[in-house]
Amino acid sequence: EVQLVESGGVVVQPGGSLRLSCAASGFTFDDYTMHWVRQVPGKGLEWVSLITWDSGATFYADSVRGRFTISRDNSKNSLYLQMNSLRTEDTALYYCAKEDYLRFYDYWGQGTLVTVSS
Amino acid sequence: EIVLTQSPGTLSLSPGERATLSCRASQSLSINYVAWYQQKPGQAPRVLIYGASSRATGIPDRFSGSGSGTDFTLTISRLEPEDFAVYYCQQYGTSLPWTFGQGTKVEIK
Repeated sequence: EVQLVESGGVVVQPGGSLRLSCAASGFTFDDYTMHWVRQVPGKGLEWVSLITWDSGATFYADSVRGRFTISRDNSKNSLYLQMNSLRTEDTALYYCAKEDYLRFYDYWGQGTLVTVSS
Repeated sequence: EIVLTQSPGTLSLSPGERATLSCRASQSLSINYVAWYQQKPGQAPRVLIYGASSRATGIPDRFSGSGSGTDFTLTISRLEPEDFAVYYCQQYGTSLPWTFGQGTKVEIK
């Protein structure tokens, strides 16, 4: 059974930093591109970042480029999101999502809540 | 950036009725990389349709997708009680950033 379990979400002050983690199991992690997607509670979905299977390529939404860094450790079946210079508008539930070979998201985690507030 | 506009914002229907949800892209998608996701309160989204018209594993055949170019549709042929939820379309795979529509809420009338 595929499982994606996010962690690391907390309350942090504006300007602060945070690292989210996503532990993957039930599939061959290093075969797949992985993504972070966020959702402000009660609002829509926003793609944040992706990383290819071998960390050879990373991409970011304009809203986070230069502040967030996606990475992965295939030996630990884990995905990460380093979030720096956090803003109140970064407050959201952050999901990790697995990209199927056909490019859509076939599995999502349950999300971890990041709250940026003074 | 490709903007996806979903309509209507809210659909009020009764169980057994047919639901038709629309998703319009701001530019034509050269490959029909459109997915539909269902999200229930407190849950992560789950994929229903990918490639505009292919049902994901385990999805009942009352869910169907169609469309090409800029106009895509999700149809639920007969609403079951568990189908009342929010539905999002997404374009993926060819044009970054991958984007989602704003969602359509299907509520019980």
